[in-house]
Amino acid sequence: QSALTQPPSASGSPGQSVTMSCTGTSGDVGGNNYVSWYQQYPGKAPKLMIYEVNKRPSGVPDRFSGSKSGNTASLTVSGLQAEDEADYYCSSYAGNNNYVFGTGTKVTVL
Amino acid sequence: QVQLVESGGGVVQPGGSLRLSCAASGFTFTRHAMYWVRQAPGKGLEWLAVISSDGRQKYYADSVRGRFTVSRDNSNNTLSLQMNSLRSEDTAVFFCAREGRPGSFDSWGQGTLVTVSS
Repeated sequence: QSALTQPPSASGSPGQSVTMSCTGTSGDVGGNNYVSWYQQYPGKAPKLMIYEVNKRPSGVPDRFSGSKSGNTASLTVSGLQAEDEADYYCSSYAGNNNYVFGTGTKVTVL
Repeated sequence: QVQLVESGGGVVQPGGSLRLSCAASGFTFTRHAMYWVRQAPGKGLEWLAVISSDGRQKYYADSVRGRFTVSRDNSNNTLSLQMNSLRSEDTAVFFCAREGRPGSFDSWGQGTLVTVSS
């Protein structure tokens, strides 16, 4: 199972929006709605930010939103804040009880 | 609150074995599937294995199938990962994670480092 493709980096100034993509295939991202997104600070455990494409767990700011079109999912962070600087990973159910993560996007707040 | 604490990491020689544990607390362990995920130094996340809430169903990534075995002890709220025939490319921080909604990992441990080196 190949990793989902994410851009290595994304950046924006405070208050701006940044969107990052997660591209897979019809066997994973395009084939189900079990796409989720995780935020990870250096040396820390990942934190769930979005599940089932566009749902936010309790406590996650509504500045974070998810969407999907075909084989590509996207995470948008609106009203960028300094604390949003982190690595972001997507993941998807890939069928046959397999899961796959994305390659990760490092978000920099300028 | 939900807490997952991994242990058992360390340095092991190529070809060796290691057993990781994940102690769960703060939630009803028997209601959740559990996962192992790893992250090689400076690299991304890699899903390794999942075990169903009752322990009957287990599935593995191709990279570890046949070498790693996931298990759970629901009487002691513990998840385990037995790792055999370890290779240098298995060097990573290993996380246990809880399944929340289907396909999502809603709680994670802090990770335990496994280094495979001679």
